[in-house]
Amino acid sequence: DIQMTQSPSSLSASVGDRVTITCRASQGITNYLAWYQQKPGKVPKLLVYAASTLRPGVPSRFSGSGSGTDFTLTISSLQPEDVATYYCQKYNSAPYSFGQGTKLEIK
Amino acid sequence: EVQLVESGGGLVQPGGSLRLSCAASGFTFTTYWMSWVRQAPGKGLEWVANINQDGSEKYYVDSVKGRFTISRDNAKSSLFLQMNSLRVEDTAIYYCARARGVDHWGQGTLVTVSS
Repeated sequence: DIQMTQSPSSLSASVGDRVTITCRASQGITNYLAWYQQKPGKVPKLLVYAASTLRPGVPSRFSGSGSGTDFTLTISSLQPEDVATYYCQKYNSAPYSFGQGTKLEIK
Repeated sequence: EVQLVESGGGLVQPGGSLRLSCAASGFTFTTYWMSWVRQAPGKGLEWVANINQDGSEKYYVDSVKGRFTISRDNAKSSLFLQMNSLRVEDTAIYYCARARGVDHWGQGTLVTVSS
């Protein structure tokens, strides 16, 4: 099975910082990669699909990139409301595994 | 508006069974893969199972194979998860989710497996 590895597992940054979260697949998944945001006590929310397509309504400070095995989620200017845990997920074939999550906090 | 409403969670003893249901509305149910995703207390997201549009393809995470069965009733726009031989480690919030790259999530239903 293809494993999804996110890094870092936690991250503390200042408001206005550029933040990058990485997701690596153990084998190629072309661009079948989604990113989700889960705020404390809330339901996960889709941010990016097809590795780099921003879901309508998601702030433009979020962006996704990558293909094959290496992917990134970038927040260009961190805002207080971005405090959350972020997950990647592969969806090219079963098992549709998630990464272990990256907990993002404000410094 | 897309709505996914789960029901059927609760407290069950190890070895017991539960059947989760998800009522879908606001979209053409028959055109989407559907999924179940769970989240144990304080832990990350775990994909559990999904099913294609006509129910002919079903996939499961290894830890539930042979114990859980995903199904759907397209006439009633409903998704189900039959969970048998439940274990303590199955304790989690179970989310009904639309598509494989999930674009809509239900609010979740809590399943607690404990003696």
